[in-house]
Amino acid sequence: GAVVSQHPSWVICKSGTSVKIECRSLDFQATTMFWYRQFPKQSLMLMATSNEGSKATYEQGVEKDKFLINHASLTLSTLTVTSAHPEDSSFYICSARKMLASTDTQYFGPGTRLTVL
Amino acid sequence: GESVGLHLPTLSVQEGDNSIINCAYSNSASDYFIWYKQESGKGPQFIIDIRSNMDKRQGQRVTVLLNKTVKHLSLQIAATQPGDSAVYFCAENEGFQKLVFGTGTRLLVSP
Repeated sequence: GAVVSQHPSWVICKSGTSVKIECRSLDFQATTMFWYRQFPKQSLMLMATSNEGSKATYEQGVEKDKFLINHASLTLSTLTVTSAHPEDSSFYICSARKMLASTDTQYFGPGTRLTVL
Repeated sequence: GESVGLHLPTLSVQEGDNSIINCAYSNSASDYFIWYKQESGKGPQFIIDIRSNMDKRQGQRVTVLLNKTVKHLSLQIAATQPGDSAVYFCAENEGFQKLVFGTGTRLLVSP
């Protein structure tokens, strides 16, 4: 199997606070995890690529100081939205690629709905 | 590049019909393609994949066809069921770089 979990599944926070989202690969090791953002009725937008033991690679236009990514182990990556504002409200989804995989199949978590008041 | 769309194309079918969802991809160098299914409020679920050295691959009730000449990918679902209702995304990849997602197609299956 290839199960990816996310926690929390939803969060509501006040403007200016920070929110941490966890992404875990439950039954496989993942050297690479990805963080996406999805607005209603739109496709997935890659925010950053997270590599275990090294700094994340951010896509153009994504503020690395606002979206902090840590990939401390082969099964866990975290995304921290710092000083969240209402425009950060979105559906955040992580994915993981199996270590030593021969293809770039990414397995997705269930997503985290962030609402910033 | 990234795909952004405000209005998802919708395919409406009757239960039991066969469904065909199409996708045009942009990068002629892409060598790996995936179809994902996303239900409302959930993350994308892997359905089937295909490498560029193939033009057809079959799974359980699903078939993916790849036409590299016109950069076209399709997903065929046989005997569509209400549980197949979801948004379907194609994704392309070149050499382990990032996945690039299509705009998505909403499949509505009526009983």
